[in-house]
Amino acid sequence: GAGVSQSPSNKVTEKGKDVELRCDPISGHTALYWYRQSLGQGLEFLIYFQGNSAPDKSGLPSDRFSAERTGGSVSTLTIQRTQQEDSAVYLCASSLDLQGYTFGSGTRLTVV
Amino acid sequence: GEDVEQSLFLSVREGDSSVINCTYTDSSSTYLYWYKQEPGAGLQLLTYIFSNMDMKQDQRLTVLLNKKDKHLSLRIADTQTGDSAIYFCAEIRYNFNKFYFGSGTKLNVKP
Repeated sequence: GAGVSQSPSNKVTEKGKDVELRCDPISGHTALYWYRQSLGQGLEFLIYFQGNSAPDKSGLPSDRFSAERTGGSVSTLTIQRTQQEDSAVYLCASSLDLQGYTFGSGTRLTVV
Repeated sequence: GEDVEQSLFLSVREGDSSVINCTYTDSSSTYLYWYKQEPGAGLQLLTYIFSNMDMKQDQRLTVLLNKKDKHLSLRIADTQTGDSAIYFCAEIRYNFNKFYFGSGTKLNVKP
């Protein structure tokens, strides 16, 4: 597609439930990032995929968070047993090279 | 440390110039970026500068890079109310595997 697409755009879930957030990167982009932005905070790195290399998971805040990227394209970020502190906007970005990172509009997750 | 630092707020009048400043920590940074985030929207890449450049101009935007002081600035000429947003500075380092973002500067443009 023309841009990075994320779904859903908004998600309200009950504490303790699992959620899946989806990212469709720009076709052909080899690099894919997940970040999250909590209210009033800056951007927090979560995970990075580059081609077929092992992902950099160093930013995942706990083992409740996981992500995969199937076929080098679509990525899914899964949060298990959600907690209220997980409430944030989750942003995905993709890139072919260092000059052209494009962000999606994000998924606003609210845990109640 | 790993922090990229920015001041949190800037307020200017319409038509004035805005200067948003950022300091970064890693001299091995290769690319430095400015992103804009409008309310309720995702991040939009405004411009970037490669670390071997001192200045880059793109229409109303001027980016200045002082590598010695690890200081990056974004100047917006003739600031408009539509420029009101949060501006994020970001760097990518030698290992190319992730951005380091500042906390963002909220620009308020008063008519």
